[in-house]
Amino acid sequence: QLVVTQSPSASASLGASVKLTCTLSSGHSTFAIAWHQQQPEKGPQYLMKVNSDGSHTKGDGIPDRFSGSASGAERYLTISSLQSDDEADYYCQTWGTGIQVFGGGTKLTVL
Amino acid sequence: QITLKESGPRLVKPTQTLTLTCSLSGFSLSDIAVGVGWIRQPPGKALEWLALIHWDDDKQYNSSLKTRLTITKDTSKNQVVLTMTNMDPVDTATYYCAHRRTIVGPFDYWGQGTLVTVSS
Repeated sequence: QLVVTQSPSASASLGASVKLTCTLSSGHSTFAIAWHQQQPEKGPQYLMKVNSDGSHTKGDGIPDRFSGSASGAERYLTISSLQSDDEADYYCQTWGTGIQVFGGGTKLTVL
Repeated sequence: QITLKESGPRLVKPTQTLTLTCSLSGFSLSDIAVGVGWIRQPPGKALEWLALIHWDDDKQYNSSLKTRLTITKDTSKNQVVLTMTNMDPVDTATYYCAHRRTIVGPFDYWGQGTLVTVSS
């Protein structure tokens, strides 16, 4: 069964970097994923697609502070130079034949 | 510029059928490989994919909700419609539609969402 798993929460200080993790279920380690940001009281915004080789394609207007990488079944979103409006929920999404799957989201707190 | 906008009732009664419309701008559902999906989010909870329709009218549904969902497209109006039957209070959520530019890939543009409350 295709599943993506995220830690419920993360925190980092203003100006620092943070790395969020999305883990693909067993047997799906070659799948690509996408990261979406959802700021408080707003709809999601597509950030980027991350492939199994770590290459990534960002959405329109996404700053260079956001980057993606991969290792095995894990896909990462790294945010550098954290700003206050990076405080948001971050969802990963993957897809297969006839199915779209979202993770439970990671709530990022900027201290 | 690609935009999507959801519309529909804010309040429905239990057992009623919900009909939501997604109005598209900046692209057409006749464009090859394009898809439009529906995703919902109960208050305080995670995103849940519901359905997806492609430019060639291929349709995909969340298996756990498939019997209650129908997704259709009206290319002349550039709209996508989702119907969900037998609504229940647990279906209270913000409903989003989203664009997908390739046959296989992520949702890359999202609508603003519309909150639907199910209550008698």
